[in-house]
Amino acid sequence: GAGVSQSPSNKVTEKGKDVELRCDPISGHTALYWYRQSLGQGLEFLIYFQGNSAPDKSGLPSDRFSAERTGGSVSTLTIQRTQQEDSAVYLCASSYRQPNTDTQYFGPGTRLTVL
Amino acid sequence: AQSVTQLDSHVSVSEGTPVLLRCNYSSSYSPSLFWYVQHPNKGLQLLLKYTSAATLVKGINGFEAEFKKSETSFHLTKPSAHMSDAAEYFCVVIRRAGKSTFGDGTTLTVKP
Repeated sequence: GAGVSQSPSNKVTEKGKDVELRCDPISGHTALYWYRQSLGQGLEFLIYFQGNSAPDKSGLPSDRFSAERTGGSVSTLTIQRTQQEDSAVYLCASSYRQPNTDTQYFGPGTRLTVL
Repeated sequence: AQSVTQLDSHVSVSEGTPVLLRCNYSSSYSPSLFWYVQHPNKGLQLLLKYTSAATLVKGINGFEAEFKKSETSFHLTKPSAHMSDAAEYFCVVIRRAGKSTFGDGTTLTVKP
């Protein structure tokens, strides 16, 4: 079946511009996660959605970052007024339900480059 | 609070020899622990997970890991390395509420 998809695969933008990154989770998965992977580093948790509950935003690095999940499915991560330090690969994952027991399935990521 | 430490950033082994990738964690509650693998230019894939059942967990491709609460460790092992095992490996602690903490990763190189 279809896995997690993300778009665009690559995004190059100028400093100060806003960007939107999209994630389509696996159908039927109620949990959705966003991570950031900077060059040579591990994954940094950004935000977690579970069903219709309020998201866990504890990992968002600044108020320039926001995310929403419409209809419990597709999610958009928005970065406003991008900075060069925002350059990274942004990964989305989904799982069936509980994050501490269920496998997270990762998308291929969006590589963001801020010039 | 929770944290994960992968003790080696790089591990190099010869094909056919054992693999040991070390992971220590800290957590203020009973953790769920995972190992994920990331092959070059491919997505992250689950290797195995510990979720409070058997402490010795078997995963895909011959990997296994043992949860040792007394040592706060969850080391990943494989008896015999294969060239296709060359990748980056991440140890992850996840709490019920969803926040996942990834280690910095260990790059495994397998020499012929």
